[in-house]
Amino acid sequence: NAGVTQTPKFRVLKTGQSMTLLCAQDMNHEYMYWYRQDPGMGLRLIHYSVGEGTTAKGEVPDGYNVSRLKKQNFLLGLESAAPSQTSVYFCASSLEVGQPQHFGDGTRLSIL
Amino acid sequence: DAKTTQPTSMDCAEGRAANLPCNHSTISGNEYVYWYRQIHSQGPQYIIHGLKNNETNEMASLIITEDRKSSTLILPHATLRDTAVYYCFAGDTGTASKLTFGTGTRLQVTL
Repeated sequence: NAGVTQTPKFRVLKTGQSMTLLCAQDMNHEYMYWYRQDPGMGLRLIHYSVGEGTTAKGEVPDGYNVSRLKKQNFLLGLESAAPSQTSVYFCASSLEVGQPQHFGDGTRLSIL
Repeated sequence: DAKTTQPTSMDCAEGRAANLPCNHSTISGNEYVYWYRQIHSQGPQYIIHGLKNNETNEMASLIITEDRKSSTLILPHATLRDTAVYYCFAGDTGTASKLTFGTGTRLQVTL
């Protein structure tokens, strides 16, 4: 039982490049979330999903897109990366909203 | 959502109880109090949550005041592995977008 797995763990991009971060969970959870964590700012919610085929905006959605084509996967896309998107990205899942969230180990993304 | 206030940092001797306070004076009746922690650069880890009553699990105890304006997370016998940033927040279980982590309390457990 792997829990929440994030791919890749590290990545360096140039400004303007695109990439997709993958989050996979094997707990059959309905809810999935993408956060970013910047120094001194805690975690901020980017987008979330309440079930397969659904997505919704969080606190800081600009510059990101997401998709939830399969219940176990939640993808975070950066179409045109900017240095301001340099951060650590965490994915999480929960059985229902309000239930404990299970987090992955993060993706460290640097944009030059 | 209720704004939470936590001390920036705390120290605790190994083997002693660590008591981490959190103020949430504007909490509403349907908001739970949640505690998570983040060890070094790992993903946050759920610890405990509660609404009104005190709660205990294998990791910690949560004491919520009667007026629900503050709470305390208790680690009964802190170890070096409990050194982490501890986050307290109040969330409405009906709205996923309102679960917001603040900057937390950095707990340093020392020998």
